[in-house]
Amino acid sequence: VLTQSPGTLSLSPGDRATLSCRTSQSVSTTYIAWYQQRPGQAPRLLIYGASNRATGIPDRFSGSGSGTDFTLTITRLEPEDFAVYYCQHSKTFGQGTKVDIK
Amino acid sequence: EVQLVESGGGLTQPGGSLRLSCAASGFTFSAFSMNWIRQAPGKGLEWISYISTTGSTIYYADSVKGRFNISRDNAKSSMVLEMNNLRDDDTAIYYCAKGIVARGDHWGQGILVTVSS
Repeated sequence: VLTQSPGTLSLSPGDRATLSCRTSQSVSTTYIAWYQQRPGQAPRLLIYGASNRATGIPDRFSGSGSGTDFTLTITRLEPEDFAVYYCQHSKTFGQGTKVDIK
Repeated sequence: EVQLVESGGGLTQPGGSLRLSCAASGFTFSAFSMNWIRQAPGKGLEWISYISTTGSTIYYADSVKGRFNISRDNAKSSMVLEMNNLRDDDTAIYYCAKGIVARGDHWGQGILVTVSS
């Protein structure tokens, strides 16, 4: 089971966003991924292997964590970053965190 | 540029069947494993099936096992999801995605499947 928190994060452009993903038991970082989904669009891979940025992803996105606790950090929110973010471990997705404009 | 284009969705009744296709371009299709991932309206993501490069390894989520069949044709750079005995809760946008087991490195735009009487 993957639990993402918070459910919604209300922030302003330029703010730092910290999204949490917790697994029910300790897992390898190999199969931890993060996705961004903008309204009406398909998801886009941001991070794989817990901390590796996918091709073309800006360096304001970073992933970290180990064991049961993983984090996606967006250092300075751009307007296009307001979206829903999903974490994934192997075949299971979290329920998503919506980052919306405060 | 990687492109994945789904087709074959639409409306069907409970118990019906549909065949989804995914046409791939912009990469060497035969060198990459593929997945189907779906999203019910207003809900989160659900991985449903994986196929290896040669088709020799296939996985299904429990929710579709025994009803859905995944296959691929490397000569045509395409993948198919045959869906049988469809239920109301199969209503979703279905995405094909290039990547290792359950991971979507690149996604298609998705195709809507609606199961309703």
